[in-house]
Amino acid sequence: AQSVAQPEDQVNVAEGNPLTVKCTYSVSGNPYLFWYVQYPNRGLQFLLKYITGDNLVKGSYGFEAEFNKSQTSFHLKKPSALVSDSALYFCAVRDMGAGGFKTIFGAGTRLFVKA
Amino acid sequence: DAGVIQSPRHEVTEMGQEVTLRCKPISGHDYLFWYRQTMMRGLELLIYFNNNVPIDDSGMPEDRFSAKMPNASFSTLKIQPSEPRDSAVYFCASRSQGGGYTFGSGTRLTVV
Repeated sequence: AQSVAQPEDQVNVAEGNPLTVKCTYSVSGNPYLFWYVQYPNRGLQFLLKYITGDNLVKGSYGFEAEFNKSQTSFHLKKPSALVSDSALYFCAVRDMGAGGFKTIFGAGTRLFVKA
Repeated sequence: DAGVIQSPRHEVTEMGQEVTLRCKPISGHDYLFWYRQTMMRGLELLIYFNNNVPIDDSGMPEDRFSAKMPNASFSTLKIQPSEPRDSAVYFCASRSQGGGYTFGSGTRLTVV
């Protein structure tokens, strides 16, 4: 069965510093991987996705994520954090080996960027 | 495109009442999903449709919950009767084959 784990409930980083939000996954087939961001009282917004090709995926707002097949990870990164990046981040996986219909979301990681 | 549109944004109702949440997906998206978000359980998939047909409703918590998609541009999630433990934010999302989700702004349901 497909699953996704975000090991950190919260990540704290100073503005201007690089940030990493971790995500690992488990699937039976090839994964489609996604990152979403949720601001207070808003729905989730799509940031980026990996389907195939280059392991480094670039997305919205300067975020990028690196697909690592051997470590089954898809960590979200940004070279220089902004206070406005403070939000709840969700990693998600779609197991194409299981039909690829459902997307499973991680529990979310709250990012705090301090000025 | 206006995105995925959900209504109402907020709903407060008394226990035992019927609640209907509405969703208009993005035109051309052939998958529609209903999620529930709570602090305790995070984001839970309740049900999803493909081409207006319910594919997997295993996440629907009880028979009190039902969902319909009468056409490609409209879906409802109904709770009857509602209970306080149903209080949550309910999200509708749509996507195309292979695409990422587009979420609505959610309906915050409070059952008192």
